[in-house]
Amino acid sequence: NAGVTQTPKFQVLKTGQSMTLQCAQDMNHNSMYWYRQDPGMGLRLIYYSASEGTTDKGEVPNGYNVSRLNKREFSLRLESAAPSQTSVYFCASSETNYGYTFGSGTRLTVV
Amino acid sequence: QKEVEQNSGPLSVPEGAIASLNCTYSDRGSQSFFWYRQYSGKSPELIMSIYSNGDKEDGRFTAQLNKASQYVSLLIRDSQPSDSATYLCAVTPLRQAGTALIFGKGTTLSVSS
Repeated sequence: NAGVTQTPKFQVLKTGQSMTLQCAQDMNHNSMYWYRQDPGMGLRLIYYSASEGTTDKGEVPNGYNVSRLNKREFSLRLESAAPSQTSVYFCASSETNYGYTFGSGTRLTVV
Repeated sequence: QKEVEQNSGPLSVPEGAIASLNCTYSDRGSQSFFWYRQYSGKSPELIMSIYSNGDKEDGRFTAQLNKASQYVSLLIRDSQPSDSATYLCAVTPLRQAGTALIFGKGTTLSVSS
């Protein structure tokens, strides 16, 4: 049972490049989330999907887009990367009112 | 006012002592409360959830919730060096659609042997 799988684990981008972070869960959870974690800032919600077919903005959505491809997969896209998007990105999934299961994270550096 | 507040620490306790971690939240209608443990360089791991006032115990961990005071705490009894980590408090605010959690910035715990 893999839980939540994120790819890639590490990535270095040049300013202006685009990329997609992939996330898949095998727990049949309805809800999925993308957070970023920065030193001194804690975990901040970027986007979430309460159920298949819906997505909503979180606290820091600017510069990102998401796609809930199906119940298992929720991707995060950076269209034009900026140094301010250097961070650790976590995907998570849950059932309503239950705690999250997190993926192992993607460490992204934008130079 | 921050949504979820935690003392950043570090909180230092000797092995075998009780570690007490505290968290306050601003949304009085918050419904669900969680504690996560995060080791350096790793992802957060759920260790406790609590939904109603009072205490909830699981092994060496006890979560305490006081909705009137908007306060959640985590007690770790018989602390071990392996408990050294950052502990994140998380809350589901009433105003937040869906089930998205708001996290505190975490308290770093250091247990010395």
